[in-house]
Amino acid sequence: GEDVEQSLFLSVREGDSSVINCTYTDSSSTYLYWYKQEPGAGLQLLTYIFSNMDMKQDQRLTVLLNKKDKHLSLRIADTQTGDSAIYFCAESMDTGRRALTFGSGTRLQVQP
Amino acid sequence: DGGITQSPKYLFRKEGQNVTLSCEQNLNHDAMYWYRQDPGQGLRLIYYSQIVNDFQKGDIAEGYSVSREKKESFPLTVTSAQKNPTAFYLCASGGLLGDTEAFFGQGTRLTVV
Repeated sequence: GEDVEQSLFLSVREGDSSVINCTYTDSSSTYLYWYKQEPGAGLQLLTYIFSNMDMKQDQRLTVLLNKKDKHLSLRIADTQTGDSAIYFCAESMDTGRRALTFGSGTRLQVQP
Repeated sequence: DGGITQSPKYLFRKEGQNVTLSCEQNLNHDAMYWYRQDPGQGLRLIYYSQIVNDFQKGDIAEGYSVSREKKESFPLTVTSAQKNPTAFYLCASGGLLGDTEAFFGQGTRLTVV
């Protein structure tokens, strides 16, 4: 079955890099996503990566995918206080249900 | 402006009552989804629909019902059979391809009083 796991909490200082990690178990995952959720709000897609890619960079965000270990990470460079939020990793497939399966979320706290 | 709208933002329900949460999108998306979020947990899929007049159960469908009579609308009814309905409910819509971004509404917080 599908299972996506994340650590619950990460605290960094403003200006440092943040690395949020995620592991998944379904080797047939086709797409892997990172979403951001601010308090009391819906989810905002930050970036996604196809399973046949190793890395994707988008401004301050870098996604690394190790398909062999089923490990996904999100690096935020020059972390700002506005980056404080909960970050969810999610996976989906191109067949069958096609609905996102989410991890439990990592709360990122940025200290000024 | 294109988007997905959930209403109401806050909803209070007495025990034994059914309530319906609204979700509307004007993005022309085929697929729509309902998720439930509990504190400290990820999102769990309740129901999803990939086409009008068709929908499937997700992982936690018991005590919930949906309809998809129009492409734009996917209302969720929380019935009295749902034993622990207090949660944050999120609706999403997207295309049918995996690389299509799923857009989320702002959520409805349901509290049983």
